[in-house]
Amino acid sequence: QSALTQPASVSGSPGQSITISCTGTSSDVGAYNYVSWYQQHPGKAPKVMIYDVSKRPSGVSNRFSGSKSGNTASLTISGLQAEDEADYYCSSFTSSSTWVFGGGTKLTVL
Amino acid sequence: EVQLLESGGGVVQPGGSLRLSCAASGFTFSNYAMTWVRQVPGEGLEWVSAVSSSGDSTYYADSVKGRFTISRDNSQNMVYLQMNSLRAEDTALYYCAKGYVTMIDSWGQGTLVTVSS
Repeated sequence: QSALTQPASVSGSPGQSITISCTGTSSDVGAYNYVSWYQQHPGKAPKVMIYDVSKRPSGVSNRFSGSKSGNTASLTISGLQAEDEADYYCSSFTSSSTWVFGGGTKLTVL
Repeated sequence: EVQLLESGGGVVQPGGSLRLSCAASGFTFSNYAMTWVRQVPGEGLEWVSAVSSSGDSTYYADSVKGRFTISRDNSQNMVYLQMNSLRAEDTALYYCAKGYVTMIDSWGQGTLVTVSS
C-alpha cells in the first residue's frame, strides 16, 4: 500500500491554470475509475472536489476538473483564486479493496 | 446536514488500547459505508479502515491490520474503531468519514490520539 505520488508543491498566479498529477500503479489508479481529490485548508477537515476521476460533487466550482491516463490522474484548477490556496490530496480505491492517498500537494497562489 | 462527531481520543502509553466512537446524523446511516482516516499534524492523510453499510465487511490498511477493529451499530448510528497494541506511529488526528470506494463526501472534525510514555 504505497502512497500515490504527487508533487510536493505547485504555484500559480490568480487567473492562471495549474495541474496536479497523481501517479499510482495498475493496482490502484490504473485499475479503477475511483480516483478522488480532496482540498484541505489549514486546521480544517478535507473536502471532496472530484470523484470517479472527473465528476464534481454538487457545489464544487466548475473551475475544478479531473482526468486520468493510465496510472496517472490529474487535477486541474483553472482561473486560480486566492481561496484555492490549500493542500490537495488524491486518493484511489485499490485491487485489495483498500484506499490509498497521495502524499499531498501544497498549492500556493502567488 | 450531515454531522459526524468523533470522541474517545486521548493520551495512551505504547502497547495500550483506545476505542474511538463516531456519532453520525443527518443521513440514512445504514445506507453508507464508513471510513476512518488519520493525519499526523502537519503531514498527509492516511486511510485506516472502512466498514460496509451492513457491517458485514471490513477493510484495513496494512499498518493497522491485526491491531485495529472497525465496527458499527446501525441502530445507534455509530461507528467505532478499537485500537489495540498502540504504537508511537499511531499518533495522529483520527477522522470519521462517510463513504468508501468512490469517495468520502463528509468528514468529522477529528479526535486526537497521542501514544506516548
